[in-house]
Amino acid sequence: GENVEQHPSTLSVQEGDSAVIKCTYSDSASNYFPWYKQELGKGPQLIIDIRSNVGEKKDQRIAVTLNKTAKHFSLHITETQPEDSAVYFCAASRGGTYKYIFGTGTRLKVLA
Amino acid sequence: DAGITQSPRHKVTETGTPVTLRCHQTENHRYMYWYRQDPGHGLRLIHYSYGVKDTDKGEVSDGYSVSRSKTEDFLLTLESATSSQTSVYFCAISELARETEAFFGQGTRLTVV
Repeated sequence: GENVEQHPSTLSVQEGDSAVIKCTYSDSASNYFPWYKQELGKGPQLIIDIRSNVGEKKDQRIAVTLNKTAKHFSLHITETQPEDSAVYFCAASRGGTYKYIFGTGTRLKVLA
Repeated sequence: DAGITQSPRHKVTETGTPVTLRCHQTENHRYMYWYRQDPGHGLRLIHYSYGVKDTDKGEVSDGYSVSRSKTEDFLLTLESATSSQTSVYFCAISELARETEAFFGQGTRLTVV
């Protein structure tokens, strides 16, 4: 069945360093890839998304890259800050469906 | 924050009892979803709704039912709660059917003892 694998499950970085989280999807028909950030005690919140007709997208310190051939997409956070500490989820969906398949999450800790 | 309210926020119930979780939105979004979040599994879709009285199953729907009698309310019912349904439940809403942001509620932590 459809599956999204996410790595690593935990990631610790020093403040100011970069963080990279990687996801692999199984459904080659997937064409929309959002990333969500979940802070403690809160629901997930969209931070960036990318569609399959685009290879890279940036929003300030956050960027997402997509390799359709390899079915990989990654989240890059530069100049990390303590407030970036949270759980991050990737997801993939196929156009025309309501179903988002989520990865298992990455707990990011930014050490001051 | 999107206008989504989940109630209750925390609940402890006994095995075999019925439980209803409520999601209320003030955004007038057409699409509503119920997810459960468990360690090692991420977020998994239980049921979703694409309009009043229009609902369908997600990937982990066994043991759950839903109802949507008004645009703003989406109810999730566990007919006879089991320990495997101990989880954090999130409601989400979206304006469009696909390729669009889903807004999540704060979650309901349900413990079945």
